[in-house]
Amino acid sequence: DTAVSQTPKYLVTQMGNDKSIKCEQNLGHDTMYWYKQDSKKFLKIMFSYNNKELIINETVPNRFSPKSPDKAHLNLHINSLELGDSAVYFCASSPRTDNYGYTFGSGTRLTVV
Amino acid sequence: GNSVTQMEGPVTLSEEAFLTINCTYTATGYPSLFWYVQYPGEGLQLLLKATKADDKGSNKGFEATYRKETTSFHLEKGSVQVSDSAVYFCALRKGSSNTGKLIFGQGTTLQVKP
Repeated sequence: DTAVSQTPKYLVTQMGNDKSIKCEQNLGHDTMYWYKQDSKKFLKIMFSYNNKELIINETVPNRFSPKSPDKAHLNLHINSLELGDSAVYFCASSPRTDNYGYTFGSGTRLTVV
Repeated sequence: GNSVTQMEGPVTLSEEAFLTINCTYTATGYPSLFWYVQYPGEGLQLLLKATKADDKGSNKGFEATYRKETTSFHLEKGSVQVSDSAVYFCALRKGSSNTGKLIFGQGTTLQVKP
């Protein structure tokens, strides 16, 4: 009965490969997000979808492509992986209003070698 | 633009010491303010929140008061435990309903020694 679940938890891959991370939420929230946490723990938003519509698209290389098949799922596909993509990627969801924080998944640690 | 600034870490305390982690923000209007905690190897958990000026958020012995006049939301706990060792993030959310993204400070690592 996990609220926001991400898979896989760990991902080790070689430079140049293409990989995907999946996220699902069972909270009935309208909005889902992807955040990147770097080695210094800094969190930066990458994308946000509201009911399958892209609403936030920060300055992210176009090798990163989010896809939301329905409002409970938000996947992240990364093409041509680079060493600098190594980080922890967090999925999150929230209701529409500003008064609520986000519920985060447990993260996917991506290591590019 | 909107931003959050936290005190630099790491903060190292002995068990039962008093904790303060400073957080100030820059935003127009009245953002909602949050503290999140990240335990080693885990995701972020909402610790507490406040949605308007002078509100006090509290949870698990932690407290923070929304101070509009000083644009601050400092986190406090009267007596820390070893199990409180984690990274703490201050955050704000401001904007129209479906574009109000959560903006984080840089995080403050807390180490509590027995």
